[in-house]
Amino acid sequence: QQQVKQSPQSLIVQKGGIPIINCAYENTAFDYFPWYQQFPGKGPALLIAIRPDVSEKKEGRFTISFNKSAKQFSLHIMDSQPGDSATYFCAARTRQFYFGTGTSLTVIP
Amino acid sequence: KAGVTQTPRYLIKTRGQQVTLSCSPISGHRSVSWYQQTPGQGLQFLFEYFSETQRNKGNFPGRFSGRQFSNSRSEMNVSTLELGDSALYLCASSLILGDYEQYFGPGTRLTVT
Repeated sequence: QQQVKQSPQSLIVQKGGIPIINCAYENTAFDYFPWYQQFPGKGPALLIAIRPDVSEKKEGRFTISFNKSAKQFSLHIMDSQPGDSATYFCAARTRQFYFGTGTSLTVIP
Repeated sequence: KAGVTQTPRYLIKTRGQQVTLSCSPISGHRSVSWYQQTPGQGLQFLFEYFSETQRNKGNFPGRFSGRQFSNSRSEMNVSTLELGDSALYLCASSLILGDYEQYFGPGTRLTVT
């Protein structure tokens, strides 16, 4: 059973566009929601994270929106660049991390 | 500061064999977690070690085991390999047990034929 459901599976946007990746969860015990970025041949790297008492967090061009009542959170990438082309994973943590299945993002120049 | 290192990077084994993968955490990090990454399932938690003790375990069969040494380096072992064990095995290190920030290594790509 997938504890964190992620969509879409893949996404193609033009340079400068704003891709949005969504995740949903059921377990209200989750207390930390990170996003990871993974390039081919590399391990995932922590991008940005949020706690459930905050509705939005921005770091550079990356923004997490968190809706506690809907049990959903999303990643927005402002002014996307070809270098942002990667696979993005959402995750949630209780005693361990549970990951979404990933979104492959392609930013076309 | 050097990142998480994993050896070997690539491995090809035959069904029924066993394999040992190694992970060296970031200097000063004492917690090591292992994950299996496959295209269909994404990243799935295997286990977490801290102070040479397994502290948390995911939902994997007993064929998957691990250990941690006094210098925080960790190994994971998979016995009686099955075709379905083909995956990227990732190690992540954290400063302490329960730390929210974890740093991943590049992974070991295991292929079982």
